[in-house]
Amino acid sequence: DIQMTQSPSSLSASIGDRVTITCRASQGINNNLAWYQQKPGKLPKLLIYGASTLQLGVPSRFSGSGSGTDFTLTISSLQPEDVATYYCQKYYSAPCTFGQGTRLEIK
Amino acid sequence: EVQVLESGGGLVQPGGSLRLSCAASGFSFSNSGMSWIRQSPGKGLEWVSGISGSGGLTYYADSVKGRFTISRDNSKDTLYLQMNSLRADDTATYYCAKLMTIFGPSLVDVWGQGTTVTVSS
Repeated sequence: DIQMTQSPSSLSASIGDRVTITCRASQGINNNLAWYQQKPGKLPKLLIYGASTLQLGVPSRFSGSGSGTDFTLTISSLQPEDVATYYCQKYYSAPCTFGQGTRLEIK
Repeated sequence: EVQVLESGGGLVQPGGSLRLSCAASGFSFSNSGMSWIRQSPGKGLEWVSGISGSGGLTYYADSVKGRFTISRDNSKDTLYLQMNSLRADDTATYYCAKLMTIFGPSLVDVWGQGTTVTVSS
């Protein structure tokens, strides 16, 4: 099975900072990669699919890039409401594995 | 409004069985792949199982293969997860998820509120 590895596992940044989270697949998955945001006590929310397509309603400070095995989620200017855990998920084939998550906090 | 609502969670002894249900509304159920995803307390998301819109294709995580069975009744707009031989590490909140496509491997665009399964003696 294809493994998904996210880094870092946790991250602390200041308001206004540019934040980058990476996700690596153990084999190529084309662009079949999604990013979700899960705020404390809440359900996950789809941010990005197809590696770079922003889901409707998601702020434009979020962006995704990558293809094949290496992917990136970027927040261009960190806001207080972005405190959450972020997960990547591959859906190239089953099992549709999630990364282990990146916990983002405000410094 | 598009909704999925889980039921059937509870406390079960190791080795026991439980069947989860997920009632769907507000969308064409038979044209949507569906999944079960779980999250243990304080842990990350774990994809458990997926099923195509027709029910003809099913998929499982290695951790549940041979113990869990996903199925659907399109006449009732309901998804199921039959869980047998339950273990302590199956303890989690189980989310029913509507997928973006009719296929089993796909991304989630609607999440249920979750139902809690606790495996303990």
